[in-house]
Amino acid sequence: QKEVEQNSGPLSVPEGAIASLNCTYSDRGSQSFFWYRQYSGKSPELIMSIYSNGDKEDGRFTAQLNKASQYVSLLIRDSQPSDSATYLCAVKGADGLTFGKGTHLIIQP
Amino acid sequence: DVKVTQSSRYLVKRTGEKVFLECVQDMDHENMFWYRQDPGLGLRLIYFSYDVKMKEKGDIPEGYSVSREKKERFSLILESASTNQTSMYLCASSLYSGRYSGANVLTFGAGSRLTVL
Repeated sequence: QKEVEQNSGPLSVPEGAIASLNCTYSDRGSQSFFWYRQYSGKSPELIMSIYSNGDKEDGRFTAQLNKASQYVSLLIRDSQPSDSATYLCAVKGADGLTFGKGTHLIIQP
Repeated sequence: DVKVTQSSRYLVKRTGEKVFLECVQDMDHENMFWYRQDPGLGLRLIYFSYDVKMKEKGDIPEGYSVSREKKERFSLILESASTNQTSMYLCASSLYSGRYSGANVLTFGAGSRLTVL
């Protein structure tokens, strides 16, 4: 059973600060890694994907991957109240895509 | 620009009823998926399809069946609804073809919240 673990939160971060979301996975052969954002009552939407070790930046978002440690993270700089949502980590291995249960992020104005 | 459309946002059904959840995508995607999402349990894959008339069981297929007669349409069927099938059902599609390939960038529909009384 492939596992993707996330701290469920809630993670509370002041507006303007950096939010750091973490995810660990069990399948060492995993190849692709994704972060989805899900607002309350809405469906998930992709915000970042990362495939190789290191950092990938897109605007205020940075995804970080460390395959040796089986760890992927998402940093949100200059956090805004509109970033308040649940963030789902998803990992693709040989058997398909596995989602974590998500971290509930709250940005406090 | 709507890409994945689920026919019903909210449904209320009675135990034992047959339930159809319809999903249509307009992106010419090969792969289509049905998930259910429950508090504390996250997203769980029910079935997926990587081609017309093809289907694969996901993690929790019991009590469900699917139909894919056309590339753009993927239906989830509850033959005899039970109260433990009360949930949010999410349809998704992705571009790449193949049995386990792709399933990368999923585009989700808005979801169908089913209540079984």
